[in-house]
Amino acid sequence: KAGVTQTPRYLIKTRGQQVTLSCSPISGHRSVSWYQQTPGQGLQFLFEYFSETQRNKGNFPGRFSGRQFSNSRSEMNVSTLELGDSALYLCASSWAGKKGQYFGPGTRLTVL
Amino acid sequence: QKEVEQNSGPLSVPEGAIASLNCTYSDRGSQSFFWYRQYSGKSPELIMFIYSNGDKEDGRFTAQLNKASQYVSLLIRDSQPSDSATYLCAVYGLQPPFGNEKLTFGTGTRLTIIP
Repeated sequence: KAGVTQTPRYLIKTRGQQVTLSCSPISGHRSVSWYQQTPGQGLQFLFEYFSETQRNKGNFPGRFSGRQFSNSRSEMNVSTLELGDSALYLCASSWAGKKGQYFGPGTRLTVL
Repeated sequence: QKEVEQNSGPLSVPEGAIASLNCTYSDRGSQSFFWYRQYSGKSPELIMFIYSNGDKEDGRFTAQLNKASQYVSLLIRDSQPSDSATYLCAVYGLQPPFGNEKLTFGTGTRLTIIP
C-alpha cells in the first residue's frame, strides 16, 4: 500500500506571498492532519480534517487554512508568508486516529 | 506544564545495551499513546502504540504504560547504531473547545548509540 505523499517537497517563497501544499493520504484513510515542525518548537498541530470537515484546529493564525476533498486528499494554504513560517510541514493520515497517524515526507518551506 | 514532556537528551547508550526513553503527560483522560522515531532530515515513523496499562513488546522494542502515574516509556533492547534518532512520544487527548481528540507530541529525545 502506498504511503502518504506530499507535494512539493521543497518550496522557496518570499515574504508576503502565499503557498499551497498538497497531501494524498494512505488509501482508505479518511483523516488528514497537518503539522508544522521547527527546531525550536517541535511538532505543532495545525488542523485535522475528516470527511471534508475540519475536526480540530491548533493555535495558528487565520493565515493558515486547509481543506479536504471528497477523495480525502488535502491541501493547506498559508497566505501573506512571514519569515517565521519557514519550517517543515508534515501531513499525516489515519484510518481512525486512535490507531496512530502515518506521516508523509513533508514539504520544506523556506521564506526569504 | 507542558501537555507531553520528554527529556530532550541527548541520551548516549553503548551498542548492545538497553536504551530507556521516558515521557509524562498531563491529560489524565488520555487513552492512546504512541512512539515515533525520526531520523535527521526525515519525517516521523510510527514504531509503537499502547492503550492499556502494562507492557507491550514488538521485537526489540517494549512500550510501558502507567496511567496512574501518567507515564509512558520505550525500551530498546540490544541497541544498534541504526537506532540513533530522535524519539517522539505522542498522546491522544481531548482538545477543547472542539471536544475531539488530537495527537499531542513531546519535543522528542535525541538518542545516540555508541559503537
